[in-house]
Amino acid sequence: QVQLQESGPGLVKSSETLSLTCAVSGYSINSGFYWGWMRQPPGKGLEWIATMYHTGSTYYNPSLKSRVTISVDTSKNQFSLQLSSVTTADTAVYYCTSDRNNWYWAYFWGQGTLVTVSS
Amino acid sequence: QSALTQPASVSGSPGQSIAISCTGTSNDIGGYNYVSWYQQHPGKAPKLMIYESSYRASGVSNRFSGSKSGNTASLTISGLQAEDEADYYCSSYTNSGTLVFGAGTKVTVL
Repeated sequence: QVQLQESGPGLVKSSETLSLTCAVSGYSINSGFYWGWMRQPPGKGLEWIATMYHTGSTYYNPSLKSRVTISVDTSKNQFSLQLSSVTTADTAVYYCTSDRNNWYWAYFWGQGTLVTVSS
Repeated sequence: QSALTQPASVSGSPGQSIAISCTGTSNDIGGYNYVSWYQQHPGKAPKLMIYESSYRASGVSNRFSGSKSGNTASLTISGLQAEDEADYYCSSYTNSGTLVFGAGTKVTVL
């Protein structure tokens, strides 16, 4: 059973870069699966950010693509999200996600981590 | 404004059946079978309930079913139970190569 756990700063200053890591357990990250990120502003709905296949193919939300970097560290069995030039609109609970078969949905989710962007 | 339209709330009594609609366009729901539904309890991560419009995710009760007709997808909950009270989100792949969500529907068990 895949388990995901997000980690990273809970507070980021406006214009800086948000960096989060998702530790994967129960599965080797370079053996397959799609690995991704979604977010949810407080009291609002879900937004897909980006998803990467274990081979490196990456799919981005066009509205965020210019600011997003998603990468995998196979030595640590984890993957990461970087979101640059953040504003208060980027304040949200960030979830790392995974699915065995494709990136159109996600079966596995981390518990989520709240990132607040201060002005 | 979300790309997919869901009712803000739906309610029903225990044992009843309810349906949540999710309306898009031919560029998303109408063009692909890549519709999914998520259940989210307060303070918890979303849980995948339905994928590919009508397939139940592993471990999901058969009281949950999904369907699609034209540009509208639906999630039906039969035999409504107190534990079904949650927010439900639909999602679809789009012809722009992205995923879009609805704003969510709050299900209340009366």
